[in-house]
Amino acid sequence: AQTVTQSQPEMSVQEAETVTLSCTYDTSENNYYLFWYKQPPSRQMILVIRQEAYKQQNATENRFSVNFQKAAKSFSLKISDSQLGDTAMYFCAFMKHSRGAQKLVFGQGTRLTINP
Amino acid sequence: DVKVTQSSRYLVKRTGEKVFLECVQDMDHENMFWYRQDPGLGLRLIYFSYDVKMKEKGDIPEGYSVSREKKERFSLILESASTNQTSMYLCASSFTRNTEAFFGQGTRLTVV
Repeated sequence: AQTVTQSQPEMSVQEAETVTLSCTYDTSENNYYLFWYKQPPSRQMILVIRQEAYKQQNATENRFSVNFQKAAKSFSLKISDSQLGDTAMYFCAFMKHSRGAQKLVFGQGTRLTINP
Repeated sequence: DVKVTQSSRYLVKRTGEKVFLECVQDMDHENMFWYRQDPGLGLRLIYFSYDVKMKEKGDIPEGYSVSREKKERFSLILESASTNQTSMYLCASSFTRNTEAFFGQGTRLTVV
């Protein structure tokens, strides 16, 4: 079974700083996807960024980028120029590549606070 | 925009009651999921469905059942609510050909 571990329950940084959230996972699969989801205080979970395991290039989405280390099974999220609106719970998630319904396995979450 | 709507944001039920949590999506997604979110545990999959009338157990199905009579609607049923089912419940949906899941706003259920 796959497991996802986020070792930082809470983090806090000042606005405009760069912050990195850590995530490690355990799997015997070779083809899979990794995600970072954001859950703001309003609670609607939204996708931040997605990485396909077969791609060596790290995914980026504007101020959000990942550091994907497949051999180390590590998948960290870097938020550059952090903004107050980045305050949220962040979940790292794993999905096995399959033709059927894709189930997400989530980490415990990291509560990120951006201070003015 | 994809919309996943959960019928209630807050519910308070008594121990032993039968509880229905409803979820509707408007994007013709094949897959629908029910997760439970607890502090320090993240989200855990209760049940999912990949087609009408089809369902599969997730990681923590005990004490729950589901129903999917129509493609757009996926219901989570607590047959006899217990205090340890007090939690945040999140519904999600997705296309099989796309990996992105879309979530509802969640239902915070309190069982007293």
